[in-house]
Amino acid sequence: EAQVTQNPRYLITVTGKKLTVTCSQNMNHEYMSWYRQDPGLGLRQIYYSMNVEVTDKGDVPEGYKVSRKEKRNFPLILESPSPNQTSLYFCASTGGERSSYNEQFFGPGTRLTVL
Amino acid sequence: DQQVKQNSPSLSVQEGRISILNCDYTNSMFDYFLWYKKYPAEGPTFLISISSIKDKNEDGRFTVFLNKSAKHLSLHIVPSQPGDSAVYFCAAPSGSARQLTFGSGTQLTVLP
Repeated sequence: EAQVTQNPRYLITVTGKKLTVTCSQNMNHEYMSWYRQDPGLGLRQIYYSMNVEVTDKGDVPEGYKVSRKEKRNFPLILESPSPNQTSLYFCASTGGERSSYNEQFFGPGTRLTVL
Repeated sequence: DQQVKQNSPSLSVQEGRISILNCDYTNSMFDYFLWYKKYPAEGPTFLISISSIKDKNEDGRFTVFLNKSAKHLSLHIVPSQPGDSAVYFCAAPSGSARQLTFGSGTQLTVLP
């Protein structure tokens, strides 16, 4: 089954404690990205990756890091989480030609609470 | 830079009636728009898209209309069903080839 998986699905942590949210896709997609969803703000892109070892900032990258060492994995790293990073996070992937805009697959989401 | 706005945070419709969700965008350079649907505790899923070479695209009960002069698109659901209750996001390409900018979403509630 074609899918994007994220772990963990739920996480409660404390300010300053480093954490990683993993993302993996099994569709051999080149493009992967991370979004956060906040009430009234919709989905905002944090970082994206066009391919292995190619990453770039999205609209709200402050406080986050990413890496793309393998095509299937795109972890999101919070080196020193703060309460304003409490949010619902989604990983997404897509591949192929431009017509694949409509094939952007999203993971199930990770609900993060930073105390 | 692309901005996408959904000015109605919520919409309630009676089952069987038409639901109309609206979206405005700022950049005429981009020529492809999408709608995503999101249920609670799930990720968004693609619903329907439209290219600017068309002014209408239909898929079953879902139709998207594009008004390029007004920089406006709308999603029509006819007839609306309780299972359509979800948050709907419109999205448009921005920045690099596959970046998307999303609107803030509209919570649709279809009442039985």
